[in-house]
Amino acid sequence: EAQVTQNPRYLITVTGKKLTVTCSQNMNHEYMSWYRQDPGLGLRQIYYSMNVEVTDKGDVPEGYKVSRKEKRNFPLILESPSPNQTSLYFCASSLWGTSGRPQETQYFGPGTRLLVL
Amino acid sequence: SQQGEEDPQALSIQEGENATMNCSYKTSINNLQWYRQNSGRGLVHLILIRSNEREKHSGRLRVTLDTSKKSSSLLITASRAADTASYFCALISNFGNEKLTFGTGTRLTIIP
Repeated sequence: EAQVTQNPRYLITVTGKKLTVTCSQNMNHEYMSWYRQDPGLGLRQIYYSMNVEVTDKGDVPEGYKVSRKEKRNFPLILESPSPNQTSLYFCASSLWGTSGRPQETQYFGPGTRLLVL
Repeated sequence: SQQGEEDPQALSIQEGENATMNCSYKTSINNLQWYRQNSGRGLVHLILIRSNEREKHSGRLRVTLDTSKKSSSLLITASRAADTASYFCALISNFGNEKLTFGTGTRLTIIP
């Protein structure tokens, strides 16, 4: 089954304790991205990756890191989490469009709900 | 901002009625997409409409795009209780970045 998986689905942590949220897709998609969703603010992109070893900042990258060592995986790393990073996080993937943009359907993971105390 | 803005923010209708949601934007777009999100779950893609298209259908969904007015609408006909969800428009602009930018969504409630 074609899907994007995220782990963990729920996480409670404390300020400053490094954590990683994993994301994996089995559709051979080039483009992957991370979003956070907060009430009243919609989805905001954190980082995106156009292919292996190619990543770039989205709208709200501060406090986050990503890596893309393999095509299927795109982990999100919070080196020193803070309470303002409490949010619902989504990973998404898609094919890379022929005109050089991710024109195709975005496939979303189920979300990771993070609480930083 | 390249973000789309949905209107209304919330909509409640009786089951069986039609629901219309609108999305306005400010930039020139490559394509515009509509997604549905059930409470606390991941987003599900509904329809993608390209800038050279004016209307697309998928089952009970109809999407229109007016690039001169920089707006799109999503119509759900013969609504069902299972259509209760948040609906987001998302767009990719023509100006040099690869980001898919989401609006803040319309919360649709179907009353049985």
